[in-house]
Amino acid sequence: DVKVTQSSRYLVKRTGEKVFLECVQDMDHENMFWYRQDPGLGLRLIYFSYDVKMKEKGDIPEGYSVSREKKERFSLILESASTNQTSMYLCASSFEGWNSPLHFGNGTRLTVT
Amino acid sequence: RKEVEQDPGPFNVPEGATVAFNCTYSNSASQSFFWYRQDCRKEPKLLMSVYSSGNEDGRFTAQLNRASQYISLLIRDSKLSDSATYLCVVSGGSNYKLTFGKGTLLTVNP
Repeated sequence: DVKVTQSSRYLVKRTGEKVFLECVQDMDHENMFWYRQDPGLGLRLIYFSYDVKMKEKGDIPEGYSVSREKKERFSLILESASTNQTSMYLCASSFEGWNSPLHFGNGTRLTVT
Repeated sequence: RKEVEQDPGPFNVPEGATVAFNCTYSNSASQSFFWYRQDCRKEPKLLMSVYSSGNEDGRFTAQLNRASQYISLLIRDSKLSDSATYLCVVSGGSNYKLTFGKGTLLTVNP
């Protein structure tokens, strides 16, 4: 079974802090993704990566950056957290190509106060 | 037209009922289609892929209609445990992107 692990289940940060969300997958997947999910807005893609050190912007990259130094790890960075970044963050991975289903981690609920 | 559109529901059905969800998509070049289920405060989990010829997994049947650009999910003999939000997911073809619908909430009542 694919396992995608997110480092924190709940996180509370203050406005202006730098926040790191970590995600690790154990299935040697090429693709990794970061989404956020908000009521009424559904899942929105922030960034994705199809290979080590490669990254592509998704639909809402503003205020975020990512890092993929190793194949199994994909980090999401909030350079200066703001209250409108309070959300559920979901990491996912998939096999090479764009027809493979996503496997999600169990999410990080981030609150920025 | 939105990229992927679902009826948000909620659908409230009694145990044992048959319920169907539709999902329309706008990109005729889309190649892959999936249904996910998401329980409250949990991550989405793959329910089934949707193949051109249609496919069945126990009480669940998924179908694809390329001409009308929609996919459907049929749940027969609903169980209480089927209560969840059902998300349809459509690939964007060559643009490295899977697009999620906003989900349809199903509640199965005893």
